[in-house]
Amino acid sequence: RKEVEQDPGPFNVPEGATVAFNCTYSNSASQSFFWYRQDCRKEPKLLMSVYSSGNEDGRFTAQLNRASQYISLLIRDSKLSDSATYLCAERYSSASKIIFGSGTRLSIRP
Amino acid sequence: EAGVTQFPSHSVIEKGQTVTLRCDPISGHDNLYWYRRVMGKEIKFLLHFVKESKQDESGMPNNRFLAERTGGTYSTLKVQPAELEDSGVYFCASSQDLGAMETQYFGPGTRLLVL
Repeated sequence: RKEVEQDPGPFNVPEGATVAFNCTYSNSASQSFFWYRQDCRKEPKLLMSVYSSGNEDGRFTAQLNRASQYISLLIRDSKLSDSATYLCAERYSSASKIIFGSGTRLSIRP
Repeated sequence: EAGVTQFPSHSVIEKGQTVTLRCDPISGHDNLYWYRRVMGKEIKFLLHFVKESKQDESGMPNNRFLAERTGGTYSTLKVQPAELEDSGVYFCASSQDLGAMETQYFGPGTRLLVL
């Protein structure tokens, strides 16, 4: 079983829609969680860090459920520019390796 | 501020040849990580340097891979001899040690194709 599991998608939604991704992790001791965005043939870029129950940044909301061992990402009022692959990731402790999921592909249509 | 840079951006070599990838971290970042993404798979950790010391090399696939970070600045990852399954994108990331707030910044990657 993979340590971090994501639905690969693709999710194809109209501009302006709200879309949500879930991600499950297997290591209950993991301390930190992340959502990265990766555009085609580019490097991953940090979208949000999730250290406690969750946080919000503009149209993006990330939530952590430690009891069920999943994190979610909600994108409101989606834009064409949100089209990308979204990578869920965890880290056991600070200054240590990041463990990535396979990514969820999102495509926003006009 | 300059980001993480990697060289070369692409490399095409034949099986059995040697390739050396280079990573220049963000200035002042003590932590340097190597990751790899092979086609169809998730990004996987290879190893972690703190300054010039290898902190964790549990992800290195085998002894054909050698990473160095002399002087604690840039790092090289050498694959010798390269095999077909080594093809993929090799990412480098760097970070400052800020405890729980540590953020790893990724370089653009080196795309390696072994024929």
